[in-house]
Amino acid sequence: EPEVTQTPSHQVTQMGQEVILRCVPISNHLYFYWYRQILGQKVEFLVSFYNNEISEKSEIFDDQFSVERPDGSNFTLKIRSTKLEDSAMYFCASNVGTGELFFGEGSRLTVL
Amino acid sequence: AQSVAQPEDQVNVAEGNPLTVKCTYSVSGNPYLFWYVQYPNRGLQFLLKYITGDNLVKGSYGFEAEFNKSQTSFHLKKPSALVSDSALYFCADRGRAAGNKLTFGGGTRVLVKP
Repeated sequence: EPEVTQTPSHQVTQMGQEVILRCVPISNHLYFYWYRQILGQKVEFLVSFYNNEISEKSEIFDDQFSVERPDGSNFTLKIRSTKLEDSAMYFCASNVGTGELFFGEGSRLTVL
Repeated sequence: AQSVAQPEDQVNVAEGNPLTVKCTYSVSGNPYLFWYVQYPNRGLQFLLKYITGDNLVKGSYGFEAEFNKSQTSFHLKKPSALVSDSALYFCADRGRAAGNKLTFGGGTRVLVKP
């Protein structure tokens, strides 16, 4: 069964460093999303992406965040200068447009 | 505005007993509702969704949910809980247009005791 894959599974970084989280969405999906979850709490929407541009973003998704689809398969989330409060699980998701979203297993980011 | 609420942070139930996880919604128009489950250290897995039609929706792992328009609820149910059902459960809604984001409730932790 096709699945969304994310790398790395866990990344530890120093405050102020840049981080790139990578996702490979399901191949025929057109819409891509990033969510984050802090310490097993609420799952928060960050950004949605379609046709090589951002469709919608939340207040969390400030200038320190960016997304990119550099090739036909990867979808990346970049945090330019990490802060302690960026420590969270980051989930990538994709879908064909309607219906449910399919989520990856997540990337745990720890900022020291 | 679309939103869902999960009034219980945690639900404890004995194995073999019925399990109910509550969700209420406040959306304009016709709601488009989902349930997801998150096992420890895992991603979110889709359980079921309500689009239109039958108010009782059947999903994965023996779960079902009942859409109740008069009570604006979409409670998740399982007739006989298993210890392996212990997890974090999220109700969510989204707009019907293609590409609309999912908006999640706060989550309910379910603990099924042997």
